[in-house]
Amino acid sequence: DTGVSQDPRHKITKRGQNVTFRCDPISEHNRLYWYRQTLGQGPEFLTYFQNEAQLEKSRLLSDRFSAERPKGSFSTLEIQRTEQGDSAMYLCASSITGVTEAFFGQGTRLTVV
Amino acid sequence: KNEVEQSPQNLTAQEGEFITINCSYSVGISALHWLQQHPGGGIVSLFMLSSGKKKHGRLIATINIQEKHSSLHITASHPRDSAVYICAVPPYSGGGADGLTFGKGTHLIIQP
Repeated sequence: DTGVSQDPRHKITKRGQNVTFRCDPISEHNRLYWYRQTLGQGPEFLTYFQNEAQLEKSRLLSDRFSAERPKGSFSTLEIQRTEQGDSAMYLCASSITGVTEAFFGQGTRLTVV
Repeated sequence: KNEVEQSPQNLTAQEGEFITINCSYSVGISALHWLQQHPGGGIVSLFMLSSGKKKHGRLIATINIQEKHSSLHITASHPRDSAVYICAVPPYSGGGADGLTFGKGTHLIIQP
């Protein structure tokens, strides 16, 4: 296992299009987190899963954002009807319940034009 | 909700200098994270600490739980240390990695 993997690394999309990002966590990690980072800022928490259950989603930025982890392994983050303000780095991290250390992926950089 | 303040925001130093980056937070926590982010975005976890001091190579992290303050030190700094260093804490006392709150980061440049 080479760590947390995110795909794609870069995505350019036109305003109004839908985009979906994928995160593959470290295989034995049951927790998976999504964060967003805008230029010059630290990451901000969006949502997290424990196995397939989404335990926190109130911090998703709007109802255009949704995340799934259907089988408790990989996760997807979808943004519908993208806006220019959605341009950011989207980071995924994983950890084991009871262990506070999280491992991060390389991120997906989204540019909405 | 925990508030995190990092200083300085930007730091440029010469190779070999001793570097200190500071982090303060507002709510008592179980553990604090120091992370490193290189251009291109990938984040690497450097330390997770709940008390005292940890050392890894030329990196040293300290935390004072009573004062809600942590520092990251780099000894004998090198240009490859150039990166953004980010402090992160759980949102509430006893919280784990759930929804970490991050500082804005310290952008470090080490010049040869």
